[in-house]
Amino acid sequence: KQEVTQIPAALSVPEGENLVLNCSFTDSAIYNLQWFRQDPGKGLTSLLLIQSSQREQTSGRLNASLDKSSGRSTLYIAASQPGDSATYLCAPQGGNKLVFGAGTILRVKS
Amino acid sequence: SQTIHQWPATLVQPVGSPLSLECTVEGTSNPNLYWYRQAAGRGLQLLFYSVGIGQISSEVPQNLSASRPQDRQFILSSKKLLLSDSGFYLCAWSGGGVEAFFGQGTRLTVV
Repeated sequence: KQEVTQIPAALSVPEGENLVLNCSFTDSAIYNLQWFRQDPGKGLTSLLLIQSSQREQTSGRLNASLDKSSGRSTLYIAASQPGDSATYLCAPQGGNKLVFGAGTILRVKS
Repeated sequence: SQTIHQWPATLVQPVGSPLSLECTVEGTSNPNLYWYRQAAGRGLQLLFYSVGIGQISSEVPQNLSASRPQDRQFILSSKKLLLSDSGFYLCAWSGGGVEAFFGQGTRLTVV
């Protein structure tokens, strides 16, 4: 059974800092891994999808890496802004299922 | 482009009443469909997923059921709601092994 852990559980930083969010998973037999953002009371917004054959994926200030063999993924956020405040979730997909971690709650202070 | 519709956005129901939440997807065919629940302050728990019409896989034993009467329609139901059924319910779809997309969710409060 896939288990996903996200560290840290919460993070509060001043604006402009570069951030690292970590995700680890127990079953490396995955098709891909997806990072999502969730604003309070809202649905999930897809940020990045990394296929199992890829090592990283970039979108704007976001960069996600994947080390499938060690069961780890990292989301880098460059030059953080108050608008980045949200919960960030990682979800490896194996078989037909996405399994989620509990998320990292990010607060960026202006 | 593909879109996913989920309704209602909020729902307050008494204990013991029935439930029906509907999710539809447009712009794709034969999607994988998912129902997740998010309890307050907790992560997303996969409840059901479906890879085709009439094919439902249940992840956890519970007071809920799911049905897929059409290719792009996924329904979450209960005959009698419990207080513990309160939460944020999210529908999602994917093309199978590729990117997944979520609806805006239904906030269910059982009173």
